[in-house]
Amino acid sequence: GDSVTQMEGPVTLSEEAFLTINCTYTATGYPSLFWYVQYPGEGLQLLLKATKADDKGSNKGFEATYRKETTSFHLEKGSVQVSDSAVYFCALKGVFGNTDKLIFGTGTRLQVFP
Amino acid sequence: SAVISQKPSRDICQRGTSLTIQCQVDSQVTMMFWYRQQPGQSLTLIATANQGSEATYESGFVIDKFPISRPNLTFSTLTVSNMSPEDSSIYLCSVAARGNEQYFGPGTRLTVT
Repeated sequence: GDSVTQMEGPVTLSEEAFLTINCTYTATGYPSLFWYVQYPGEGLQLLLKATKADDKGSNKGFEATYRKETTSFHLEKGSVQVSDSAVYFCALKGVFGNTDKLIFGTGTRLQVFP
Repeated sequence: SAVISQKPSRDICQRGTSLTIQCQVDSQVTMMFWYRQQPGQSLTLIATANQGSEATYESGFVIDKFPISRPNLTFSTLTVSNMSPEDSSIYLCSVAARGNEQYFGPGTRLTVT
């Protein structure tokens, strides 16, 4: 079945460093892909999304490009801030079977220090 | 985007009891979802709740343990029945939006002792 694999955390960076969080997926066809962020003690917030190959989702300085050839949707940010410290979840929504559900990766904790 | 609230935000319950979690949305939505996030883990879908029909449960989740109500297009409840410490999790509701994404409530943090 469909699945999402994320790099394990925690990822620890200094402020203004470059961030990459890897995400790869397994799915039939062209799923929709998402990044969600969970700040401490809060629920999930949609960060960005892409619905077709080569689409680039972006928000708040974060970007991710839907790469069909490598089945990847890596999250990047050029200069992280302390306020970006959170858990980041990659997720997909498939096109076969139960197409309403989101399938999540295990999450990657990001810690940014001043 | 939809604004979603959940009650309670957290609770500590004794084993063998039940807890009902409420989810309220500020607009009418067709599909609502209930997820579980066990400590340090990712989210797992429990069930999909459509108004006017029985909830659809994912593999590993059963109605007797997690009964769901969906009385109208803005409200749903999830009950965690006969709780055990293994049920200690964050329970989140979400709604489907037009753009294919889902919006999530703040979650209910449940601890079972």
